[in-house]
Amino acid sequence: AQSVTQLDSHVSVSEGTPVLLRCNYSSSYSPSLFWYVQHPNKGLQLLLKYTSAATLVKGINGFEAEFKKSETSFHLTKPSAHMSDAAEYFCVVSGMTPGGYNKLIFGAGTRLAVHP
Amino acid sequence: DAGVIQSPRHEVTEMGQEVTLRCKPISGHDYLFWYRQTMMRGLELLIYFNNNVPIDDSGMPEDRFSAKMPNASFSTLKIQPSEPRDSAVYFCASSTLRVPSPYEQYFGPGTRLTVT
Repeated sequence: AQSVTQLDSHVSVSEGTPVLLRCNYSSSYSPSLFWYVQHPNKGLQLLLKYTSAATLVKGINGFEAEFKKSETSFHLTKPSAHMSDAAEYFCVVSGMTPGGYNKLIFGAGTRLAVHP
Repeated sequence: DAGVIQSPRHEVTEMGQEVTLRCKPISGHDYLFWYRQTMMRGLELLIYFNNNVPIDDSGMPEDRFSAKMPNASFSTLKIQPSEPRDSAVYFCASSTLRVPSPYEQYFGPGTRLTVT
């Protein structure tokens, strides 16, 4: 079975400092991994995805994530936080359903606060 | 493309009333998903369709919940009768297996349901 654990429920950073949101996954096969962002009262937007190509994945808005199979991790980083990055971030792993489709399994989310 | 469209955006109803949520997926997408988001349980997959056929409804909480997809461009999620514990944000998402983005799900803005 597939699962994902986001290690921090809340992260607070100052504007201009680096961001690190941690995610560990469990999968019985080579997974697809995603990071989604949800701004307040908005839907979910895909930040980036890993699908067995390059292990360092670049996404939108300066975010990137590195797939580390040995550590079963897929941490999200950004060199310099911006006020507009304040949102909830979800680490997601694809999982097989009885219908054969890779459904998405969401982590509990990490709420990122950015202070001036 | 207009993206995934959901209506209404907000719904307030009294306990015992029937509630119908609507979703229009992205044209050409052959998978459609209904999710529920609450503070306590996070994001949960309720049901998904492939080519208008329900494939996995194991996440539907009770018989009070039902979902239909009469054609490729429209789906409904109905709750009858509604209860206060159904209060949540309900998201619809769609996807396709076609490259270059197989399994990537596109989310609608959500319907915020409040049952009093």
